Amino acid sequence: QKEVEQDPGPLSVPEGAIVSLNCTYSNSAFQYFMWYRQYSRKGPELLMYTYSSGNKEDGRFTAQVDKSSKYISLFIRDSQPSDSATYLCASGGTGRRALTFGSGTRLQVQP
Amino acid sequence: DVKVTQSSRYLVKRTGEKVFLECVQDMDHENMFWYRQDPGLGLRLIYFSYDVKMKEKGDIPEGYSVSREKKERFSLILESASTNQTSMYLCASSIWATSTDTQYFGPGTRLTVL
Repeated sequence: QKEVEQDPGPLSVPEGAIVSLNCTYSNSAFQYFMWYRQYSRKGPELLMYTYSSGNKEDGRFTAQVDKSSKYISLFIRDSQPSDSATYLCASGGTGRRALTFGSGTRLQVQP
Repeated sequence: DVKVTQSSRYLVKRTGEKVFLECVQDMDHENMFWYRQDPGLGLRLIYFSYDVKMKEKGDIPEGYSVSREKKERFSLILESASTNQTSMYLCASSIWATSTDTQYFGPGTRLTVL
């Protein structure tokens, strides 16, 4: 079993929709949770960073972590065609040198 | 601005060739990583380095080696390329040698082995 699981999609939504992207993880030592966005033919770039449980909001994006159920979510409000990309969740913990990535979910926002 | 560069965007090699992929970061970061990215499998860690001349195996090191002679440069070496090493290769760096730190990625090298 992979330590971080993510539905690969693709997910196709109309412009303006609310998007929910999700990951589950299995390692209780994970305390740090990140979302990376990767546009086609580019490297991933950090979108959101959260520590432990709770919500973090940045503009149209909200990251949510529920450590009790080991569930990570990214919500995108008022989605735009420019949000079309692959979204990767990642987790890390104290004492670990490297992040563990999910496989990525490809999102397509239709104009 | 943070900058991670990779030597080639696209590379075509033949089976059995020795292949060098180079990565340079200009941020004085301690940690550097090599991943490969394949459809349905996501990002898989090949090797990482937490200091000059230091390296640690990731999840899929077989068939690869690495070299870090200078802090800013991290090379991935395919000693004898095989067709199953056709993939997108991504380099990344982070400030500290800990998984809690943000990773900055290069644009990737798409390698095709014929």
